Amino acid sequence: QVQLQESGPGLVKPSETLSLTCTVSGYSIRGGYYWGWIRQPPGKGLEWMGSIYHSGTTHYNPSLKSRVIISVDTSKNQFSLNLSSVTAADTAVYYCARDGYCSGGICYLAWFDPWGQGTLVTVSS
Amino acid sequence: DIVLTQSPDSLAVSLGERATINCKSSQSVLYSSNNKNYLAWYQQKPGQPPKLLVYWASTRESGVPDRFSGSGSGTDFTLTISSLQAEDVAVYYCQQYYSSPHTFGQGTKLEIK
Repeated sequence: QVQLQESGPGLVKPSETLSLTCTVSGYSIRGGYYWGWIRQPPGKGLEWMGSIYHSGTTHYNPSLKSRVIISVDTSKNQFSLNLSSVTAADTAVYYCARDGYCSGGICYLAWFDPWGQGTLVTVSS
Repeated sequence: DIVLTQSPDSLAVSLGERATINCKSSQSVLYSSNNKNYLAWYQQKPGQPPKLLVYWASTRESGVPDRFSGSGSGTDFTLTISSLQAEDVAVYYCQQYYSSPHTFGQGTKLEIK
């Protein structure tokens, strides 16, 4: 079955760039679907950050658009998140997930399933 | 952005009883061309990622117990657990995918009374 696993530093300094990678197993990213990042501050709700297609087409949440870059490496079956100029407000559990569904050869942004286990990133000096 | 407002924020229900969680959208998420409601429901247990329960507002994900059901259309939606089990204690979220950005409700915490 499809599995996703986030990896990256658990501690980032303020003003620096947060970088995470999601490794997908059990499915080739080239096969389709969008792949997304969602975050959850401790004790709070969920925020979609953005999603990417295997071609490199991206969709971002406008609230983060100026700071977020999502990229894909199909040769490694991975996609990555870069969030620049971080502050304490960016402290959160970061999840990667498959985004959407495919029908008739076209893939659409939609629900998230499955999800990775999540990784806590703390922004602190 | 579409704002999803869930009610109540928290809910305590006795084992075996019905639990009902509501999600109201700031605008319709019904796409008229295919008559589908672009809304999903998730369950999140402590220390775990969210788990997809329902999509298209009422289509149960494979493997999800049939005591979970989604209903509603347009701007008003409901997730119902027909007979609460101890393992259903969790936070439940709705999510719309009608328009970008994807947005989630604030969550409803479900506990045992």
